[in-house]
Amino acid sequence: ETGVTQSPTHLIKTRGQQVTLRCSSQSGHNTVSWYQQALGQGPQFIFQYYREEENGRGNFPPRFSGLQFPNYSSELNVNALELDDSALYLCASTSRGGSYNEQFFGPGTRLTVL
Amino acid sequence: AQSVTQLDSQVPVFEEAPVELRCNYSSSVSVYLFWYVQYPNQGLQLLLKYLSGSTLVKGINGFEAEFNKSQTSFHLRKPSVHISDTAEYFCAVIRSGNTPLVFGKGTRLSVIA
Repeated sequence: ETGVTQSPTHLIKTRGQQVTLRCSSQSGHNTVSWYQQALGQGPQFIFQYYREEENGRGNFPPRFSGLQFPNYSSELNVNALELDDSALYLCASTSRGGSYNEQFFGPGTRLTVL
Repeated sequence: AQSVTQLDSQVPVFEEAPVELRCNYSSSVSVYLFWYVQYPNQGLQLLLKYLSGSTLVKGINGFEAEFNKSQTSFHLRKPSVHISDTAEYFCAVIRSGNTPLVFGKGTRLSVIA
């Protein structure tokens, strides 16, 4: 069984650029959530995708957008990058249904904005 | 809305000594509680979780936590730490099964030889 994978591992961009981060969910999972972890902070929820639609969003501006594909993999897109967007971006996959289903995290993509 | 406070940002401890990492939460509804560990340059790994039932929860790597509803706490403990336990530890809550995790700011555990 393949776990959650993310690409790329590291990325360096400059202010104003756009970036796309990718996440492959664990086999059998249909829900992907994205989190931003700034240096020295806990992860913060960006949004969740279920069956290719956004299903909940945290306190992030519209320049953070996403996609989920029929195979349940997902992309996080960030436009007009700002210095404060520098962070570790984590995705987590799970299966919906029932009272609780564990979220499994990928290793993250470290984004540096210069 | 839920919130989590981890009372210590850094905890240094000598190898083979006991450790407690403190976590308090705030919520107007019942929540599920979690502890995650993050090793350097890695993602998050679930240590243990409290969903219901016994308030003492045992997890991986010899860690355990106790849910205290009256004190809204979920402190993590280990009776004897190893060098390999050096990592960042995050306490988190969710309101129900499919809601997003709300994390604390983390506690950096440093085990000293």
